[in-house]
Amino acid sequence: QSVLTQPPSASGTPGQRVTISCSGSNSNIGSNFVFWYQQLPGTAPKLLIYRINQRPSGVPDRFSGSKSGTSASLAISGLRSEDEADYYCAGWDDRLSGVVFGGGTKLTVL
Amino acid sequence: EVQLLESGGGLVQSGGSVRLSCAASGFTFSNYAMSWVRQAPGKGLEWVSSITDSGDTTYYADSLKGRFTISRDNSKSTLFLQMNSLRAEDTAVYYCRTDIVLVPASLDFDYWGQGTLVTVSS
Repeated sequence: QSVLTQPPSASGTPGQRVTISCSGSNSNIGSNFVFWYQQLPGTAPKLLIYRINQRPSGVPDRFSGSKSGTSASLAISGLRSEDEADYYCAGWDDRLSGVVFGGGTKLTVL
Repeated sequence: EVQLLESGGGLVQSGGSVRLSCAASGFTFSNYAMSWVRQAPGKGLEWVSSITDSGDTTYYADSLKGRFTISRDNSKSTLFLQMNSLRAEDTAVYYCRTDIVLVPASLDFDYWGQGTLVTVSS
């Protein structure tokens, strides 16, 4: 069982806005940065969001991150077929002194 | 161009040992914390271990402490993971990466290798 909790699946139709949640605790999300990764089948994860809401260059502004208390969210607007992938949240946990990942959310574009 | 190239994976018997290597190029290796992340077949990402830029401090997932050891050779820009007493549940693709979670000051300097598969047979 993952320290960070994500819904196992999410879906949407092209053009829609989808939100993926990531629930943690005071020792991780509540006190540290949140990161989001996209993983396409058979490939290494790709950084989508760092430091809660910052996008690396090359990541479309359709992707955005936010945090409130001990929960974080990844929003994808203008959903496209190529967004179909697995998404993971991650962060540092002060109590565990380690990196924690969410269990991952499989996004399906209908 | 930043490159991380893992090697050392393969088939190993339960109880055996493996040493993974990750050769880095295209950046100043000694300036960045590094880590190993694994992914069992069909499963999610699992953090294994991290090491600071100097190698002075290491961190491990609780479930792996005592069996795995992370180290680095900055003179050779190489990261290592010594894995002992391997079990079937250690079967996974092992990725090396620059660790921006441990060191957020590294901003978006987030790079992953292509991964190396370790299969532990029982």
